[in-house]
Amino acid sequence: RKEVEQDPGPFNVPEGATVAFNCTYSNSASQSFFWYRQDCRKEPKLLMSVYSSGNEDGRFTAQLNRASQYISLLIRDSKLSDSATYLCVVKGTYKYIFGTGTRLKVLA
Amino acid sequence: GAVVSQHPSWVICKSGTSVKIECRSLDFQATTMFWYRQFPKQSLMLMATSNEGSKATYEQGVEKDKFLINHASLTLSTLTVTSAHPEDSSFYICSASILATGELFFGEGSRLTVL
Repeated sequence: RKEVEQDPGPFNVPEGATVAFNCTYSNSASQSFFWYRQDCRKEPKLLMSVYSSGNEDGRFTAQLNRASQYISLLIRDSKLSDSATYLCVVKGTYKYIFGTGTRLKVLA
Repeated sequence: GAVVSQHPSWVICKSGTSVKIECRSLDFQATTMFWYRQFPKQSLMLMATSNEGSKATYEQGVEKDKFLINHASLTLSTLTVTSAHPEDSSFYICSASILATGELFFGEGSRLTVL
């Protein structure tokens, strides 16, 4: 089993739709959790950190479920510009483990 | 967010030459930086962890004599691809973390093409 797993997609959704991604992790001692966005041929950029209490930033909501060892990202009112690959990143004591990414395509 | 700068963005070189890529943390000190490689349509692959003032820690399968890493200051790490060959052509990205938050910030990446 991979340390961090994501559905690679692609998720094709119409503009305005709500879409959710999940990411599971295997190490229960993982300390920090993040969602990154990566556009084609660009570096990953931090979208948001994921806190135990959940957090929201505009149209984006992230949740952490430690009991079931997964994190989620919800995007409301999808825009064309949201099309990208979304990477789940889990930090242990010394290392950052990346998911393979979930590709999102928002269609006009 | 914090700024990590990488240089050069693009480099084309002949087979057999060496290429140096710089990674700088511009507004914070980074005791640890990470180097990744990414092939088209594939995931980021961690190559090595660069620690200021000490030897880098390489991932399994990454040749330390081929990918030389130097982290001489708290704001600069360099990756040198020695005797580059066409199969080394890839997108190389560095990152540095903010100790307090654990957030990871990436350089813009360096696209290497070896002819």
